[in-house]
Amino acid sequence: AQSVAQPEDQVNVAEGNPLTVKCTYSVSGNPYLFWYVQYPNRGLQFLLKYITGDNLVKGSYGFEAEFNKSQTSFHLKKPSALVSDSALYFCAVRAPTSGTYKYIFGTGTRLKVLA
Amino acid sequence: KAGVTQTPRYLIKTRGQQVTLSCSPISGHRSVSWYQQTPGQGLQFLFEYFSETQRNKGNFPGRFSGRQFSNSRSEMNVSTLELGDSALYLCASSPTLTQGSYEQYFGPGTRLTVT
Repeated sequence: AQSVAQPEDQVNVAEGNPLTVKCTYSVSGNPYLFWYVQYPNRGLQFLLKYITGDNLVKGSYGFEAEFNKSQTSFHLKKPSALVSDSALYFCAVRAPTSGTYKYIFGTGTRLKVLA
Repeated sequence: KAGVTQTPRYLIKTRGQQVTLSCSPISGHRSVSWYQQTPGQGLQFLFEYFSETQRNKGNFPGRFSGRQFSNSRSEMNVSTLELGDSALYLCASSPTLTQGSYEQYFGPGTRLTVT
Protein backbone atom coordinates (compact mmCIF):
# COMPACT_ATOMS: atom_id res chain seq x y z
CA ALA A 1 0.00 0.00 0.00
CA GLN A 2 1.14 3.51 -0.72
CA SER A 3 1.87 5.46 2.43
CA VAL A 4 3.81 8.16 4.21
CA ALA A 5 5.26 7.74 7.68
CA GLN A 6 6.42 10.39 10.08
CA PRO A 7 7.86 8.33 12.91
CA GLU A 8 8.07 11.14 15.47
CA ASP A 9 4.96 12.73 16.93
CA GLN A 10 7.07 15.52 18.39
CA VAL A 11 10.57 16.87 17.97
CA ASN A 12 12.13 19.23 20.49
CA VAL A 13 15.16 21.30 19.59
CA ALA A 14 16.92 24.24 21.15
CA GLU A 15 16.91 27.53 19.29
CA GLY A 16 19.98 27.87 17.11
CA ASN A 17 20.50 24.12 16.83
CA PRO A 18 19.96 22.20 13.60
CA LEU A 19 16.64 20.40 13.24
CA THR A 20 15.51 17.33 11.35
CA VAL A 21 11.96 16.12 10.89
CA LYS A 22 11.81 12.63 9.43
CA CYS A 23 9.63 11.26 6.65
CA THR A 24 9.65 7.96 4.81
CA TYR A 25 7.36 6.94 1.99
CA SER A 26 6.13 4.00 0.00
CA VAL A 27 4.78 4.73 -3.47
CA SER A 28 4.79 3.09 -6.87
CA GLY A 29 6.76 4.87 -9.56
CA ASN A 30 8.73 8.05 -9.12
CA PRO A 31 7.71 9.91 -5.99
CA TYR A 32 6.60 13.50 -5.91
CA LEU A 33 7.26 14.61 -2.33
CA PHE A 34 6.17 17.66 -0.37
CA TRP A 35 6.52 19.30 3.01
CA TYR A 36 3.86 21.54 4.50
CA VAL A 37 3.71 23.49 7.75
CA GLN A 38 0.61 24.30 9.78
CA TYR A 39 0.41 27.03 12.36
CA PRO A 40 -2.40 27.06 14.96
CA ASN A 41 -5.87 27.67 13.51
CA ARG A 42 -4.48 27.90 9.99
CA GLY A 43 -4.46 25.76 6.90
CA LEU A 44 -1.36 24.02 5.60
CA GLN A 45 1.33 26.12 3.97
CA PHE A 46 3.60 24.73 1.26
CA LEU A 47 7.31 24.64 2.20
CA LEU A 48 9.09 22.70 -0.54
CA LYS A 49 8.84 19.84 -2.99
CA TYR A 50 10.92 17.22 -4.76
CA ILE A 51 9.85 16.29 -8.25
CA THR A 52 13.10 15.42 -9.98
CA GLY A 53 16.70 16.58 -10.15
CA ASP A 54 18.98 17.52 -7.28
CA ASN A 55 18.37 15.42 -4.17
CA LEU A 56 18.70 18.45 -1.92
CA VAL A 57 15.84 20.86 -2.35
CA LYS A 58 15.56 24.27 -0.75
CA GLY A 59 12.33 25.87 0.30
CA SER A 60 10.78 28.68 2.27
CA TYR A 61 12.04 30.09 5.59
CA GLY A 62 15.47 28.45 5.28
CA PHE A 63 14.14 24.89 5.21
CA GLU A 64 15.59 22.22 2.99
CA ALA A 65 14.94 18.54 2.45
CA GLU A 66 17.02 15.65 1.25
CA PHE A 67 15.56 13.02 -1.03
CA ASN A 68 17.10 9.59 -0.55
CA LYS A 69 15.79 7.06 -3.01
CA SER A 70 17.51 4.01 -1.52
CA GLN A 71 16.15 4.75 1.94
CA THR A 72 12.81 6.04 0.58
CA SER A 73 13.16 9.08 2.82
CA PHE A 74 12.57 12.79 2.49
CA HIS A 75 13.73 14.38 5.75
CA LEU A 76 13.13 18.05 6.42
CA LYS A 77 16.09 20.02 7.77
CA LYS A 78 17.12 23.46 8.88
CA PRO A 79 20.63 24.45 9.96
CA SER A 80 19.55 26.78 12.76
CA ALA A 81 16.10 26.55 14.36
CA LEU A 82 14.04 29.56 15.39
CA VAL A 83 11.34 29.69 18.06
CA SER A 84 8.97 30.84 15.30
CA ASP A 85 9.53 27.50 13.51
CA SER A 86 7.43 25.82 16.19
CA ALA A 87 4.48 24.34 14.32
CA LEU A 88 3.01 21.12 12.93
CA TYR A 89 4.83 19.71 9.91
CA PHE A 90 3.35 17.35 7.34
CA CYS A 91 5.09 15.27 4.74
CA ALA A 92 3.05 14.27 1.68
CA VAL A 93 3.46 12.19 -1.47
CA ARG A 94 1.56 12.39 -4.73
CA ALA A 95 0.62 8.81 -5.50
CA PRO A 96 -0.89 7.29 -8.65
CA THR A 97 -4.31 5.75 -8.24
CA SER A 98 -6.90 4.47 -10.72
CA GLY A 99 -5.63 6.43 -13.68
CA THR A 100 -5.22 9.62 -11.71
CA TYR A 101 -3.39 10.53 -8.52
CA LYS A 102 -4.02 11.51 -4.94
CA TYR A 103 -2.03 13.09 -2.16
CA ILE A 104 -1.22 11.02 0.90
CA PHE A 105 -0.20 12.86 4.05
CA GLY A 106 1.75 11.70 7.04
CA THR A 107 0.24 12.08 10.50
CA GLY A 108 2.31 15.15 11.23
CA THR A 109 5.23 15.99 13.52
CA ARG A 110 4.96 18.74 16.06
CA LEU A 111 8.16 20.76 16.20
CA LYS A 112 8.92 22.64 19.40
CA VAL A 113 11.85 25.02 19.35
CA LEU A 114 12.89 25.98 22.85
CA ALA A 115 14.37 29.38 23.61
CA LYS B 1 -3.66 36.60 -6.13
CA ALA B 2 -6.14 35.93 -3.39
CA GLY B 3 -5.65 32.65 -1.58
CA VAL B 4 -8.07 29.80 -1.05
CA THR B 5 -11.06 30.93 0.95
CA GLN B 6 -13.39 28.78 2.99
CA THR B 7 -16.69 29.67 4.57
CA PRO B 8 -17.80 29.54 7.23
CA ARG B 9 -14.71 29.38 9.44
CA TYR B 10 -16.58 27.90 12.39
CA LEU B 11 -19.76 25.86 12.67
CA ILE B 12 -21.60 24.22 15.52
CA LYS B 13 -24.23 21.66 14.59
CA THR B 14 -26.31 19.04 16.34
CA ARG B 15 -26.20 15.32 15.65
CA GLY B 16 -28.50 14.38 12.80
CA GLN B 17 -28.33 17.75 11.09
CA GLN B 18 -26.64 18.39 7.78
CA VAL B 19 -24.02 20.95 6.86
CA THR B 20 -22.61 22.54 3.71
CA LEU B 21 -19.12 23.96 3.54
CA SER B 22 -17.86 26.20 0.76
CA CYS B 23 -14.46 26.65 -0.86
CA SER B 24 -13.27 29.18 -3.42
CA PRO B 25 -9.97 28.17 -5.01
CA ILE B 26 -7.20 30.43 -6.19
CA SER B 27 -8.14 32.08 -9.46
CA GLY B 28 -7.17 29.85 -12.37
CA HIS B 29 -6.95 26.67 -10.31
CA ARG B 30 -9.32 23.99 -11.55
CA SER B 31 -8.59 21.21 -9.09
CA VAL B 32 -10.13 21.32 -5.62
CA SER B 33 -9.54 18.69 -2.95
CA TRP B 34 -11.14 18.28 0.46
CA TYR B 35 -9.53 16.84 3.57
CA GLN B 36 -10.70 16.05 7.08
CA GLN B 37 -8.17 16.78 9.81
CA THR B 38 -8.52 15.32 13.28
CA PRO B 39 -5.91 15.04 16.04
CA GLY B 40 -5.89 11.26 15.95
CA GLN B 41 -6.09 10.61 12.20
CA GLY B 42 -4.14 13.47 10.67
CA LEU B 43 -5.27 14.53 7.21
CA GLN B 44 -7.70 12.18 5.54
CA PHE B 45 -8.51 12.68 1.87
CA LEU B 46 -12.21 13.09 1.14
CA PHE B 47 -12.47 13.81 -2.58
CA GLU B 48 -11.08 15.79 -5.47
CA TYR B 49 -12.93 17.70 -8.17
CA PHE B 50 -11.61 18.84 -11.49
CA SER B 51 -13.68 20.68 -14.09
CA GLU B 52 -16.92 19.89 -12.20
CA THR B 53 -16.18 16.15 -12.12
CA GLN B 54 -15.24 14.08 -9.12
CA ARG B 55 -11.90 12.68 -10.09
CA ASN B 56 -11.01 10.83 -6.91
CA LYS B 57 -12.65 9.77 -3.69
CA GLY B 58 -11.35 8.71 -0.29
CA ASN B 59 -12.77 6.13 2.08
CA PHE B 60 -15.60 8.05 3.65
CA PRO B 61 -19.27 7.04 3.92
CA GLY B 62 -21.83 8.29 1.45
CA ARG B 63 -22.97 10.93 3.97
CA PHE B 64 -20.03 12.96 2.68
CA SER B 65 -20.58 14.43 -0.75
CA GLY B 66 -19.36 17.32 -2.79
CA ARG B 67 -19.65 19.17 -6.01
CA GLN B 68 -17.83 21.73 -8.08
CA PHE B 69 -19.30 24.57 -10.06
CA SER B 70 -18.27 25.96 -13.42
CA ASN B 71 -16.28 28.73 -11.73
CA SER B 72 -14.30 26.02 -9.84
CA ARG B 73 -15.86 26.88 -6.50
CA SER B 74 -16.66 23.76 -4.54
CA GLU B 75 -19.04 22.74 -1.82
CA MET B 76 -18.92 19.83 0.54
CA ASN B 77 -21.99 18.45 2.26
CA VAL B 78 -22.26 16.16 5.25
CA SER B 79 -25.68 14.72 6.04
CA THR B 80 -26.88 13.10 9.26
CA LEU B 81 -24.02 14.47 11.28
CA GLU B 82 -22.34 12.28 13.89
CA LEU B 83 -20.17 13.31 16.82
CA GLY B 84 -17.17 11.81 15.03
CA ASP B 85 -17.56 14.27 12.19
CA SER B 86 -16.20 17.02 14.41
CA ALA B 87 -13.01 18.08 12.68
CA LEU B 88 -11.21 20.75 10.73
CA TYR B 89 -12.21 20.50 7.08
CA LEU B 90 -9.57 21.76 4.71
CA CYS B 91 -9.93 22.66 1.09
CA ALA B 92 -6.93 22.76 -1.24
CA SER B 93 -6.61 23.93 -4.81
CA SER B 94 -3.90 23.26 -7.34
CA PRO B 95 -3.14 24.47 -10.83
CA THR B 96 -3.33 22.26 -13.88
CA LEU B 97 -0.35 20.04 -14.53
CA THR B 98 0.48 21.94 -17.69
CA GLN B 99 1.42 24.81 -15.44
CA GLY B 100 4.19 22.60 -14.03
CA SER B 101 3.17 22.85 -10.44
CA TYR B 102 2.11 19.97 -8.24
CA GLU B 103 1.81 21.47 -4.79
CA GLN B 104 -1.52 22.22 -3.20
CA TYR B 105 -2.63 25.50 -1.71
CA PHE B 106 -4.77 25.21 1.38
CA GLY B 107 -7.50 27.36 2.78
CA PRO B 108 -7.73 28.16 6.51
CA GLY B 109 -10.29 25.45 7.06
CA THR B 110 -13.76 25.20 8.54
CA ARG B 111 -13.87 24.02 12.14
CA LEU B 112 -16.99 21.86 12.52
CA THR B 113 -18.18 20.91 15.97
CA VAL B 114 -21.02 18.40 16.30
CA THR B 115 -22.81 18.28 19.65
